[in-house]
Amino acid sequence: DADVTQTPRNRITKTGKRIMLECSQTKGHDRMYWYRQDPGLGLQLIYYSFDVKDINKGEISDGYSVSRQAQAKFSLSLESAIPNQTALYFCATSDGTAAGETQYFGPGTRLLVL
Amino acid sequence: GESVGLHLPTLSVQEGDNSIINCAYSNSASDYFIWYKQESGKGPQFIIDIRSNMDKRQGQRVTVLLNKTVKHLSLQIAATQPGDSAVYFCAEKKGNDMRFGAGTRLTVKP
Repeated sequence: DADVTQTPRNRITKTGKRIMLECSQTKGHDRMYWYRQDPGLGLQLIYYSFDVKDINKGEISDGYSVSRQAQAKFSLSLESAIPNQTALYFCATSDGTAAGETQYFGPGTRLLVL
Repeated sequence: GESVGLHLPTLSVQEGDNSIINCAYSNSASDYFIWYKQESGKGPQFIIDIRSNMDKRQGQRVTVLLNKTVKHLSLQIAATQPGDSAVYFCAEKKGNDMRFGAGTRLTVKP
């Protein structure tokens, strides 16, 4: 969905390095999410934010941090990357209304930690 | 149906046939359900949703059926086309908690 963009699309890094994945959206949604996807597994929630001043941990937040710089921007950081953080990372948005529970996903960032 | 593990369930159908993809969800209190399609190298794409006060909802070429008694959700795709080849997964939601299944890989044979 072109309304949700992620950069970079692919990244190779080394163990111990700090990296940042960025997400931007033009949908005007208040809510933003970061997920990771591993082969054969469902999406797992890392962090989510319901507005600029709201940050919440998801089910697998250890080793990650986030920043909600603006309504349209939500970045994910790996403070000290480790090989088991190799995965596909997705950003998603939703408008938070009862009629808008659907989440819209970006194209993903493929991360390889060596 | 859905499973957790390295190998996704697969469904192979002939072009033009109907496809049925199944999902067993976990939380009997979930009140909102979504089907997503994920093509290789792309993010999940919304297909259709259904609330728990309904048992059937139709879209363009797709139908979602919800059976709350057995916590089962299915996605029916009519006249399956090669462009329907993808991984399909369901999601269930209760409040702010949304959970995703691992998915089923649909392959359409020409």
